[in-house]
Amino acid sequence: SQKIEQNSEALNIQEGKTATLTCNYTNYSPAYLQWYRQDPGRGPVFLLLIRENEKEKRKERLKVTFDTTLKQSLFHITASQPADSATYLCALDISGGYNKLIFGAGTRLAVHP
Amino acid sequence: GAVVSQHPSRVICKSGTSVKIECRSLDFQATTMFWYRQFPKQSLMLMATSNEGSKATYEQGVEKDKFLINHASLTLSTLTVTSAHPEDSSFYICSARDELAGVTDTQYFGPGTRLTVL
Repeated sequence: SQKIEQNSEALNIQEGKTATLTCNYTNYSPAYLQWYRQDPGRGPVFLLLIRENEKEKRKERLKVTFDTTLKQSLFHITASQPADSATYLCALDISGGYNKLIFGAGTRLAVHP
Repeated sequence: GAVVSQHPSRVICKSGTSVKIECRSLDFQATTMFWYRQFPKQSLMLMATSNEGSKATYEQGVEKDKFLINHASLTLSTLTVTSAHPEDSSFYICSARDELAGVTDTQYFGPGTRLTVL
């Protein structure tokens, strides 16, 4: 069965540093991978999508890489701020592009002043 | 941007009662909506895909008679938890796609509904 792994331990970093979160998956070849932000008691908010034929995608302070050989995506937040503190989820499309998603459990990021 | 709302945000009910949760796309039409459940510190689990004007498609292991889904219009889908029990207590989240705008690879999520069954 498909499996998505995100680091279950919280990531604590200092303000201004770059946060790097990892998403590993097995047993599937997704058409695309997405990253979401989720705050406590709230629904996920879409951040970035990267397709299987893309290596890297950027949006402001965010960068996502996608290595389909390693079956891994890395999510980077540069110049991190305390407001970036949240849980970050990765999600894979498992329906060949028809947007049926399976989610990882998320990694909680805490940015300290 | 596309906005999805859910109502209620929180609900507490007694065991054996039914609870209805509404999911609305506020500024776009959604032929497809999704319902997820999330337990504490766990990932979102897809329960079912709701299609306007047709029957919902349920994921394996989700009881369709317990979780009734109705997608009667292009802006509203409802999830009814029938004969709720304490193990149904969870965070229920819906999402919708703005397919008419040609956006098929992004889901817009609602804020979620916290259900507590006593």
